[in-house]
Amino acid sequence: DAKTTQPPSMDCAEGRAANLPCNHSTISGNEYVYWYRQIHSQGPQYIIHGLKNNETNEMASLIITEDRKSSTLILPHATLRDTAVYYCIVRVQTSQGGSEKLVFGKGTKLTVNP
Amino acid sequence: KAGVTQTPRYLIKTRGQQVTLSCSPISGHRSVSWYQQTPGQGLQFLFEYFSETQRNKGNFPGRFSGRQFSNSRSEMNVSTLELGDSALYLCASSSAGTRTLGYTFGSGTRLTVV
Repeated sequence: DAKTTQPPSMDCAEGRAANLPCNHSTISGNEYVYWYRQIHSQGPQYIIHGLKNNETNEMASLIITEDRKSSTLILPHATLRDTAVYYCIVRVQTSQGGSEKLVFGKGTKLTVNP
Repeated sequence: KAGVTQTPRYLIKTRGQQVTLSCSPISGHRSVSWYQQTPGQGLQFLFEYFSETQRNKGNFPGRFSGRQFSNSRSEMNVSTLELGDSALYLCASSSAGTRTLGYTFGSGTRLTVV
């Protein structure tokens, strides 16, 4: 089962910031938070990841709370092309050493409106 | 550099047949994972290969199998196809099993079983 919970859908006006929340209250101290997005009928695309500190790259910013129980993905200036399903994932360490898998939840369907 | 390549892009098979899907990872990537995506179950992990060895396997029946070649290319096979196997099959590659590296997904193979 996914270790994260996200709202099923959100809307955002084009040009405005999109703030996508994610709860991961059972996250372990050495687990990272990853964000991916999936545009219709394509494979998921990596966006950003973080452990404790806030992170920023050319696509987005990731804000992780101090207790690490939740995080927010920020798309500073959303465009129509940002319409997608956004997945928040906690990297799960499997029982086989060194092997990891991504456990996807339902994600948030973000719709950017003109 | 070239991304993850999956072939074929679309496939239609009949119940009871078998199918083989192919995935070529990013050059230099040794880990290849497979995922199944359906509207009802979402994205689910099938298995992961690293250096020609299956390191991890999801909760799928034995009809689903895979392998990895010495050049890191991977194939997955589904035997005795069922209608419920209709799905988007995604392949993802990464350069190592480290937490700090993201996975790069291909565009997937859309399998339809009739």
